[in-house]
Amino acid sequence: KNQVEQSPQSLIILEGKNCTLQCNYTVSPFSNLRWYKQDTGRGPVSLTIMTFSENTKSNGRYTATLDADTKQSSLHITASQLSDSASYICVVSTSGGSYIPTFGRGTSLIVHP
Amino acid sequence: EAEVAQSPRYKITEKSQAVAFWCDPISGHATLYWYRQILGQGPELLVQFQDESVVDDSQLPKDRFSAERLKGVDSTLKIQPAELGDSAMYLCASSHDREGVTGELFFGEGSRLTVL
Repeated sequence: KNQVEQSPQSLIILEGKNCTLQCNYTVSPFSNLRWYKQDTGRGPVSLTIMTFSENTKSNGRYTATLDADTKQSSLHITASQLSDSASYICVVSTSGGSYIPTFGRGTSLIVHP
Repeated sequence: EAEVAQSPRYKITEKSQAVAFWCDPISGHATLYWYRQILGQGPELLVQFQDESVVDDSQLPKDRFSAERLKGVDSTLKIQPAELGDSAMYLCASSHDREGVTGELFFGEGSRLTVL
């Protein structure tokens, strides 16, 4: 069964600090992995996409890594801001037709001033 | 910028009543998803459409939930009768899903359902 596990479940950090969120998956056949940011009461928005051949991808202060051998991904947030407070969801999609996505439960990040 | 439209944003109803949610995906997106998200958890797939056909509805509680996308464009999700445990955010998403496209899901703002 395809599964996506995220850790930690929740995280509290001070503004300006860095943090790293983890995602482990057992999805096959692998197509791509996305990190989504979901603000409270809103729909998720894509931050980055990683395909099999990519190891690192950055989007501003967000940097995602992918190790396809160990089936692990991380999302590193640099110099956190209050607006980074949100849920971060890892989504892994299969290949072959309709890119069926499997969602993680998300990591809730709270950035305190 | 094209967006996925959902309505209503908020719905409060009493248990045993009927509820309906509407979604209009981004123009040209063939794949449409309905997700249910309980507070503090990730979205759970209820139903996936490819054009007007159901691709996956294995997690849809068919005794009370129904979904349709008659013309392959907009979609309606219905709950009848609503139960207390149905209180959640109902998210609609669409994707392009053609060969060579990476299948990014574009989400609407969601419909927050509270069942009293």
